[in-house]
Amino acid sequence: DGGITQSPKYLFRKEGQNVTLSCEQNLNHDAMYWYRQDPGQGLRLIYYSQIVNDFQKGDIAEGYSVSREKKESFPLTVTSAQKNPTAFYLCASMGWTSQRGGDTQYFGPGTRLTVL
Amino acid sequence: AQKVTQAQTEISVVEKEDVTLDCVYETRDTTYYLFWYKQPPSGELVFLIRRNSFDEQNEISGRYSWNFQKSTSSFNFTITASQVVDSAVYFCALRRDNYGQNFVFGPGTRLSVLP
Repeated sequence: DGGITQSPKYLFRKEGQNVTLSCEQNLNHDAMYWYRQDPGQGLRLIYYSQIVNDFQKGDIAEGYSVSREKKESFPLTVTSAQKNPTAFYLCASMGWTSQRGGDTQYFGPGTRLTVL
Repeated sequence: AQKVTQAQTEISVVEKEDVTLDCVYETRDTTYYLFWYKQPPSGELVFLIRRNSFDEQNEISGRYSWNFQKSTSSFNFTITASQVVDSAVYFCALRRDNYGQNFVFGPGTRLSVLP
């Protein structure tokens, strides 16, 4: 089955530590995204990548970093510079499919990060 | 600037009632795409529909229907004969034309369908 996997599902971090969230897709999509979701709020874009070895900052990139060395993988590092990292993180990729009528985003199951 | 507004923060209905979730968007683009996603308690966003700005036909898929009106910049979503399994957070989203990679999401509407 094609899809997006994120690991771990739950992650706990001590203040001052960096932590990396994994995102892998086997959909052969070029574009990938990281979003942050806070309780009762919508999704906010952290970073996105249109192609391997290229990525752009989204609306709330401060305190985060990414890499895109392989098409299938787009890991997100939450650094100690991120002041309030406790949130739900969603990874997505975008691709074209006739069943959906064109380009749409496919989402992973998410990682819930809690800073202790 | 682009913006998506979902004025209804939370809605509660009793099973079998019809319910409409509102979505109002702002964009200066003439070509754009609108989406609805469902987020069940598990957290993963589930795609429901994609609509481009040139197609104002209403869409029906089973108990789901969508009403797109460019004149009022609205893309409302109706669930007919709601069921408990419809309980979720629903997001409306806007994407610019094919050269734009960014999506703008509304804040979401939490729907609770009571038995």
